[in-house]
Amino acid sequence: DIEMTQSPDALAVSLGERATINCKSSQNLLYASNNKNYLGWYQQKAGQPPKLLISWASTRESGVPERFSGSGSGTDFTLTISSLQAEDVAVYYCQQYYSHPDTFGQGTKLEIK
Amino acid sequence: QVILVQSGGGLVKPGGSLRLSCGASDFSFSDYYINWFRQAPGKGLEWVSYISADGKSRLYADSVKGRFTISKDNAENSVYLQMDSLRADDAAVYYCAHIGYWGQGTQVTVSS
Repeated sequence: DIEMTQSPDALAVSLGERATINCKSSQNLLYASNNKNYLGWYQQKAGQPPKLLISWASTRESGVPERFSGSGSGTDFTLTISSLQAEDVAVYYCQQYYSHPDTFGQGTKLEIK
Repeated sequence: QVILVQSGGGLVKPGGSLRLSCGASDFSFSDYYINWFRQAPGKGLEWVSYISADGKSRLYADSVKGRFTISKDNAENSVYLQMDSLRADDAAVYYCAHIGYWGQGTQVTVSS
């Protein structure tokens, strides 16, 4: 199975400041035939299922605010929230869907400083 | 958005069984593979089981292998997770999912 490792485990950022979460996979997630990285970013709030924010490493899902962006390729990826809002407090997960089973990172808890 | 609808779950004694169901009205299970994940209180997302779109390939986490069985009925447009010989450490919220499509989650409690 592909192992996903996120850093940091927890993060406290002031409102309006930038938040950055990293994700590293144990194997390459870039599929050469279509040049797509099989990596998603999710946001999970208490009592809710995870919500997909970013697919294919950098494609923002419909309705997701522009302050959320994803970058990276291969084995190293980043989720950036450009200007933290109060409603962004949540746990964030990266997930690979390059090979089965789809696996998640351990999660990063984002709080307001 | 949540478009997979889960049912089943509840309270069961150790050693007991439960069957979870996952269905949808605007999502064709015959076109997509499905995973079951679970999340214990305060913990991360743990993969439990996978079934391919055609139902021919199935995978299980080591922690549930031999006790859980995943199946799908494309005619009923549903996926199932039969959970037998349940243990206290199986207690969690269980989710069916395909990448961005998730069920609402169902609680499984194992207690005497």
